[in-house]
Amino acid sequence: DTAVSQTPKYLVTQMGNDKSIKCEQNLGHDTMYWYKQDSKKFLKIMFSYNNKELIINETVPNRFSPKSPDKAHLNLHINSLELGDSAVYFCASSQDLNLETQYFGPGTRLLVL
Amino acid sequence: QKEVEQNSGPLSVPEGAIASLNCTYSDRVSQSFFWYRQYSGKSPELIMSIYSNGDKEDGRFTAQLNKASQYVSLLIRDSQPSDSATYLCAVWDAGNMLTFGGGTRLMVKP
Repeated sequence: DTAVSQTPKYLVTQMGNDKSIKCEQNLGHDTMYWYKQDSKKFLKIMFSYNNKELIINETVPNRFSPKSPDKAHLNLHINSLELGDSAVYFCASSQDLNLETQYFGPGTRLLVL
Repeated sequence: QKEVEQNSGPLSVPEGAIASLNCTYSDRVSQSFFWYRQYSGKSPELIMSIYSNGDKEDGRFTAQLNKASQYVSLLIRDSQPSDSATYLCAVWDAGNMLTFGGGTRLMVKP
């Protein structure tokens, strides 16, 4: 049973395209996150949602738009992809906003050509 | 800007030795501290958390926290080749956000 799952696992696309990454958690958690890990391994938070409500939006270009249709799902849509968007994107979840233990999904490796 | 600093390594230790991983953080109000292990091509996995000054032991792992020096460390005793991974230090602040360091790559040689 996968706790936090993401699709797709790999995504190779051309500059200027629009793409989406999906995340689902079956842990019954209230809070979900998107992180970006660049080639130097820095893992940086992009967004957090609590019960479908946006809580954190960390100076991410507005080409990135998260959507949470319900508290078990948090999707990430990226418009007009740029070379610098190439990274691994991790989804994570935690029981609630105040509980720091976060469970990470397997990651989506995005390569923009 | 809140920062979490780690030496990127690689830190190379022989099998059976103690590996010592260090982390410093800039935000004095940080309350909770975590060590994640990340194998190559995999997602981060929480291995230790520490909230108060001193040592916390869990099996072969010991986390050490010194809030006055804004310093947290992870000791791995009897290091095994399977411990070879990148270790990420993370700090939880009052803004309900985890800030990660860049990670230290550990190599345990048989």
